[in-house]
Formats: sequence, structure tokens, C-alpha cells
Amino acid sequence: DVKVTQSSRYLVKRTGEKVFLECVQDMDHENMFWYRQDPGLGLRLIYFSYDVKMKEKGDIPEGYSVSREKKERFSLILESASTNQTSMYLCASSSPDREGNEQYFGPGTRLTVT
Amino acid sequence: ILNVEQSPQSLHVQEGDSTNFTCSFPSSNFYALHWYRWETAKSPEALFVMTLNGDEKKKGRISATLNTKEGYSYLYIKGSQPEDSATYLCASYTGNQFYFGTGTSLTVIP
Repeated sequence: DVKVTQSSRYLVKRTGEKVFLECVQDMDHENMFWYRQDPGLGLRLIYFSYDVKMKEKGDIPEGYSVSREKKERFSLILESASTNQTSMYLCASSSPDREGNEQYFGPGTRLTVT
Repeated sequence: ILNVEQSPQSLHVQEGDSTNFTCSFPSSNFYALHWYRWETAKSPEALFVMTLNGDEKKKGRISATLNTKEGYSYLYIKGSQPEDSATYLCASYTGNQFYFGTGTSLTVIP
């Protein structure tokens, strides 16, 4: 079974703090993604990566950065957390070898910025 | 940004009822259509991945169809059970990026 794990299920941070959200997958997938989910807006893509040390901006990259130093790990960084970044963050991985690039998701991290 | 729409937004049905949801997506730049089930406190889980116009896929009581020319997909649940209660997400994959709808929240009342 593919496993995608995220470092925390719940996180509370203060405005201005630097926040790291970690995601690890164990299926040697090339592709990894970070989404945020907000009520009424669906999943929105923040950043994605198709290879180690490679990153692409998604639809809402402002205020975020990412790091992919190893194939299995994709980190999302909030350089200076703000209250509008309070959200559910989901990581996913996929392989182009799977039909339609099927995604496997982690359990999510619910981040609250106060 | 692609506009993927799902309807209805939410649905309450009685146990045993059959139901269906719609996902609409732009037919240009289409590569694949994904359906996911997202239960509370769990990870979204892939139900179906469809790529070809006219595709029909089935998993137990759940099935899906795809029309890429007109840009829609239907998800059907036959004889709904309480364990089917979840949010059902669809996503259009362009070959480069995924675009998700806002989901249909299904509640099956015992």
C-alpha cells in the first residue's frame, strides 16, 4: 500500500512564525503536490514537483515556498505565517506510470495561525 | 486556472436510495478525470481514473461515466449505505496539473 505521511495532524502557530510542513511518501513516486483546502473552495494547488530539486508554482504560491532535496520528501514552508494561511494542507504523490497520474494523499495537516 | 464544477454541493439520502452526482470540466486540455472519496478524518482516496471518452468504470455499488467531448462525468451510487457518507471530489488532470471541484457532500441516513 502506498503511504503518504504528513508530519502533524494539527498545528497551531503564531503570526510571523516560520512554519515547516513535511510530507514523506514511500512508493518512489516522481511527483509530489501540496494543496490547501478551504470551505467552499475545494482543493487548490500551491506547489508541485516532478523531480528532486525541481518545483513548479501552482495556482496560489504566494506566501509559500517548497523544498525537495530527496525524492521521498516534499516540504512546504510558510516563511512568515499569517492568519489567512489558516487552512487544511494536503500533500499528495503520484507516478506517471499509473493511469492518469493517479494521486495518493496524506491525512492532512490542519494549521491554525493565531 | 480551469473551472471544474460539481453538483449538487450536498445531498442527504435515505439508506437504500440510489443517487448520482455531476462533475463538469473544460473539454480542452483534457488528459484524465479523477474521482476521489474523502471521509472525515481520513485521506482522500481514489475511486476512479478515466481517460477515454465513453469510459465507464465500476467498483461494487459505485460506477462512473465520462464524456470528454461535452466535458462531464457522472458518479452513481446504487443502494446507498451509511458508510458511503463522504465528500466526493472530482479532478481534471491536464497532463501537467490537477484542477479540483469543490466536492459533493453525501450523507446517507440510516
